[in-house]
Order: sequence, then C-alpha cells, then structure tokens
Amino acid sequence: GAGVSQSPSNKVTEKGKDVELRCDPISGHTALYWYRQSLGQGLEFLIYFQGNSAPDKSGLPSDRFSAERTGGSVSTLTIQRTQQEDSAVYLCASSFGGGVGYTFGSGTRLTVV
Amino acid sequence: AQRVTQPEKLLSVFKGAPVELKCNYSYSGSPELFWYVQYSRQRLQLLLRHISRESIKGFTADLNKGETSFHLKKPFAQEEDSAMYYCALSGGSNYKLTFGKGTLLTVNP
Repeated sequence: GAGVSQSPSNKVTEKGKDVELRCDPISGHTALYWYRQSLGQGLEFLIYFQGNSAPDKSGLPSDRFSAERTGGSVSTLTIQRTQQEDSAVYLCASSFGGGVGYTFGSGTRLTVV
Repeated sequence: AQRVTQPEKLLSVFKGAPVELKCNYSYSGSPELFWYVQYSRQRLQLLLRHISRESIKGFTADLNKGETSFHLKKPFAQEEDSAMYYCALSGGSNYKLTFGKGTLLTVNP
C-alpha cells in the first residue's frame, strides 16, 4: 500500500479481555517495528521484525504481549488479559531493510476500562 | 545504555521569533540522531537526520559530540510549526530508535 496502515484506529476494551492490533506495512518493506506511545512517556520500542522473524523483542513489557508477522507482511500485536496500564497509542512502522528511515502508521489508540 | 533527554515538555514562542528545541543524548559510541515531528491529528514523520545535514522547512540541527547535543533550530518560527517534536537516537543497532519524551511547540500569532 501507499503507507503503513493500522487497524483499528481506536479500541476500547474491558480489563481482562484480549486484544489484537493489526499493522499492514508498506509493500516491499522487510523490516517492521512496534512502538508504544504513552502519555508523558514518549515512544517505547516493543519489537522488531526482519521478514517473519523477530530478532529483538526486548521491549515487550510482559509475557501478556506477543506479536507475529506472516508472509513478510502483515503483523499482529496481541495483548492478553489487558490491564489499565496497557492504555496507550500503539504505533507500527516499517522500513526497507534494517535501516531506521521509518515510515510510521497512524497508530491504534487502546483504552482499557 | 542509551538515553535521549528533551528538557522542555512545552515551548511557546511568537511567530517570527527564533526557536530552539533542546535535545541531549547519552551514548558511548557514535550515534545517529533524528528529529521526528507529529502535527495535530497526523502521523509521526521524519523531519531530519544528522547524517544528511539538510534543512527541512527551515529547521536545522547540528550534532555536537562534545556537548552530546542535537538541538533543533529555526530562525523565524511560523504558526504551522506548532507540533510535537521528538528527538531520537540510533546507536549500535541499525534498527532500534530511542526517543525522547517530546517537546510540544506552540507558535503564537
């Protein structure tokens, strides 16, 4: 596609429920990244994919968080048993190769009530 | 460990005034520094990177390794420059960015 597409744009969920956030990167971009943007915290790195593998998942805050990427394209970030502190904007970015010239998506705003 | 500090959460200037958004970093090696901007209701986008030494929308930033700084400057601010600005560092890895917490710039008429 023309840009990085994320869905849904907004998600309100009840505490304890599972959520899935989707990212569709720019066609041909082999690298994909997830970041979290919390109020007052800036952007925190979560995970990096090169193709379908994740050489760096060091930023995932707990084992409730997982992500996968299939076909070297779409990625899904899953948060199990959501907590209120998971409320944030989840940003996806992609780049050609492993360089840091990212293109960001518009994010998914997650609210856990 | 690498860290990026943006000491000002908020910065307010008048149109036509000079503006400087501060960024300091901590990294033991040779970093690559970036400025990203997020305008209201738009996605985060790259403004400039130090290795290209370019000027975008009148903004420039010089990497000062002695002071470990990468301040963003513009001689004459415009109202459309109002946005959230993030300084970011890539060190070691060539994929992960460490971001500062951002500075919200407001340019008043």
